[in-house]
Amino acid sequence: GQSLEQPSEVTAVEGAIVQINCTYQTSGFYGLSWYQQHDGGAPTFLSYNGLDGLEETGRFSSFLSRSDSYGYLLLQELQMKDSASYFCAVRGLEYGNKLVFGAGTILRVKS
Amino acid sequence: DAGVIQSPRHEVTEMGQEVTLRCKPISGHDYLFWYRQTMMRGLELLIYFNNNVPIDDSGMPEDRFSAKMPNASFSTLKIQPSEPRDSAVYFCASSRGELAGRETQYFGPGTRLLVL
Repeated sequence: GQSLEQPSEVTAVEGAIVQINCTYQTSGFYGLSWYQQHDGGAPTFLSYNGLDGLEETGRFSSFLSRSDSYGYLLLQELQMKDSASYFCAVRGLEYGNKLVFGAGTILRVKS
Repeated sequence: DAGVIQSPRHEVTEMGQEVTLRCKPISGHDYLFWYRQTMMRGLELLIYFNNNVPIDDSGMPEDRFSAKMPNASFSTLKIQPSEPRDSAVYFCASSRGELAGRETQYFGPGTRLLVL
């Protein structure tokens, strides 16, 4: 079966760097995605890692280690608007074309 | 592109009534997904379609739920009869064909359903 674990809540200060970790268990792993969801809004795609290493998109980066079944989302130069929920999601052979989402991490950015 | 369109945005109904949620995917996307989000259960996939054909409905909670996709630009999720525990936000999402799992899912704004 599948399992995704990420912290339930993280708090950080404006301008700081924060890392949100995600560990997963799945067979036939395809890749790890990250989605952002503001309160009352819809999930929106942030990044995808299919291979080991770091993917950078502006202030956001995502990392994957397939051997450790682990990834993280790194947010730099935090802004108040980054306060949101962040979901990691995996696709694996056992799920077909499903994207299985973690429970989400609530990020609170304080001034 | 207008993105994924869902209607209604809000629905309040009484227990036992039929509820129909509607979705128009992004043009050219051949995958359509229905999700339900609650505080207790998070974001759950209910069913998904590929080229208008239901592929996996294992997430549909029970027979009260049904989904159709009569054509490439329209899908419905129906709950009959509705129950208070069905209260949730229902999202529709669409994506292009997969590229080794890299495809992005684009979510609609959601329908907030409250069953009294």
